[in-house]
Amino acid sequence: QQQVKQSPQSLIVQKGGISIINCAYENTAFDYFPWYQQFPGKGPALLIAIRPDVSEKKEGRFTISFNKSAKQFSLHIMDSQPGDSATYFCAASRSSARQLTFGSGTQLTVLP
Amino acid sequence: NAGVTQTPKFQVLKTGQSMTLQCAQDMNHEYMSWYRQDPGMGLRLIHYSVGAGITDQGEVPNGYNVSRSTTEDFPLRLLSAAPSQTSVYFCASSYSGQGRGYTFGSGTRLTVV
Repeated sequence: QQQVKQSPQSLIVQKGGISIINCAYENTAFDYFPWYQQFPGKGPALLIAIRPDVSEKKEGRFTISFNKSAKQFSLHIMDSQPGDSATYFCAASRSSARQLTFGSGTQLTVLP
Repeated sequence: NAGVTQTPKFQVLKTGQSMTLQCAQDMNHEYMSWYRQDPGMGLRLIHYSVGAGITDQGEVPNGYNVSRSTTEDFPLRLLSAAPSQTSVYFCASSYSGQGRGYTFGSGTRLTVV
């Protein structure tokens, strides 16, 4: 049972373009939605996170858009750079549980 | 600060062998957890601990054992390795465990032949 569905599995974007990764969740009890960035040979690192009481959060070139009614959230990377090439994971958790549920990951390649 | 340290980085086991993956953190985090990462499946929770002496099962606990005798260390034991346990294993810690502020180690790549 996959509680957080992520798409696409892989994404190729030209330098300067916009990268968009989408996630959908099933459990309405989730109340925290982070995105993690993982470079080859490294562990995931927190990139940006959002709570369901806001519809958008922006940090530099990275923006999370959140649609509570549709149970969907997405990561937008503006002005994508080759250094952004990595695997991105969306995740979800609920305060009452001690677990973080991850999506299946998106491998992003930004071409120079 | 070293953060979360995992050893070894790479390991090859034969089917049926046992081994322990080590995880240590120096951030005084109460919460520690183990995930496995497989292609196309994201990270799946194996076991977690909310403090010394307290452990609980995650999504995929079968074939793995854990204990937490100190705040700093959270080893993962494979009792009898199987090829299905070939994966990359990540240890993570956080101050609360409620999905916030996770710090991951750099992983252990395990191959079972």
